[in-house]
Amino acid sequence: DAGITQSPRHKVTETGTPVTLRCHQTENHRYMYWYRQDPGHGLRLIHYSYGVKDTDKGEVSDGYSVSRSKTEDFLLTLESATSSQTSVYFCAIRSGTETDTQYFGPGTRLTVL
Amino acid sequence: QKEVEQNSGPLSVPEGAIASLNCTYSDRVSQSFFWYRQYSGKSPELIMSIYSNGDKEDGRFTAQLNKASQYVSLLIRDSQPSDSATYLCAVNMLGTDKLIFGTGTRLQVFP
Repeated sequence: DAGITQSPRHKVTETGTPVTLRCHQTENHRYMYWYRQDPGHGLRLIHYSYGVKDTDKGEVSDGYSVSRSKTEDFLLTLESATSSQTSVYFCAIRSGTETDTQYFGPGTRLTVL
Repeated sequence: QKEVEQNSGPLSVPEGAIASLNCTYSDRVSQSFFWYRQYSGKSPELIMSIYSNGDKEDGRFTAQLNKASQYVSLLIRDSQPSDSATYLCAVNMLGTDKLIFGTGTRLQVFP
């Protein structure tokens, strides 16, 4: 499972509240990614990180921010959750700088009411 | 135009048959190609990666890459009901650290 955990695994929240999802890895991988998965859209990249404090946007970054203060943790924050952010969120790591292979965490199911 | 396209399915095959899953990509994407399997309610898991034209075999799975025609396919031999899942195609986005995913093909293997 590439040593990736996500927390929480399930969350229900209300519109307008802040939400933070955590991705934790134990194998010192440099690259980490946040995706969302919705029916009909597949996996879409939100943000990714290529090192501590180094992050970049993906194709669906509006409404999301990220932080990476240490190698093992990559946080995804919804500053003010909206119903359109109801989704399944997956974290992934890239297994090395010489390969593009990504491995996924177990996912977080987020419902915004 | 989507950069990575897959037929959403479902593709239904009988147990023991060969399942053929296809993926086409735009000419902007790069040289790394991946197939992931995703069971309902679970996360994607890597099945195969392929980087060169031709076939790559791993057990019952064969990935085929044709860069001239811009497609990559996955063959599953001796399909089993446990192969029933959604199969995601992913390609590296040229010059970036990102993968672009297709929307997936749902495979159903019936006994």
